[in-house]
Amino acid sequence: VIWMTQSPSLLSASTGDRVTISCRMSQGISSYLAWYQQKPGKAPELLIYAASTLQSGVPSRFSGSGSGTDFTLTISCLQSEDFATYYCQQYYSFPWTFGQGTKVEIK
Amino acid sequence: EVQLVQSGAEVKKPGESLKISCKGSGYSFTSYWIGWVRQMPGKGLEWMGIIYPGDSDTRYSPSFQGQVTISADKSISTAYLQWSSLKASDTAMYYCARRQDYGDEGNAFDIWGQGTMVTVSS
Repeated sequence: VIWMTQSPSLLSASTGDRVTISCRMSQGISSYLAWYQQKPGKAPELLIYAASTLQSGVPSRFSGSGSGTDFTLTISCLQSEDFATYYCQQYYSFPWTFGQGTKVEIK
Repeated sequence: EVQLVQSGAEVKKPGESLKISCKGSGYSFTSYWIGWVRQMPGKGLEWMGIIYPGDSDTRYSPSFQGQVTISADKSISTAYLQWSSLKASDTAMYYCARRQDYGDEGNAFDIWGQGTMVTVSS
């Protein structure tokens, strides 16, 4: 099983801020990483796959980077609709695993 | 429109059995893996397992192996998650999701169901 450490667990920020979320793997996964956004009471939505490829329809203020064991999700200019919880997920090997989540809240 | 529609919320007692469903539409159901994800109240996402409806090939997370059964009926484009004996600790929201294949870039869950809340209480 590949373990994931996502940080921080809570991030307080203001509209317009640049925010960064980190995800570290217990072993290398090449670029087989996805990022999801989940808003309260809603199902998760895919933001990024293959570590850095934006899913269709996702705003360009979202970006992903990294390979191997260290990955980053960046929101370049936080908008009101971006306050949510974000999860990384590896799909390098079964069982797929999720990070613990990062809640982005209004400062 | 591509969508996954899950069955409604359930309230059960410990020891009871349950089968929840996830119906796909707007795409070739037999050509995409369908996964199940648990979210306990106030907690994160947990990957439970995945099935390929085309041939019913199924993989489970070790954490859920033996605790649940994943199945599919391709004739009605529906995947299932079932329990033979529920516990209070099974109380959670359960999501199904479609695995999209991005070729060399791997795959990810691109379409999600709306979720089924399962409450187990005496």
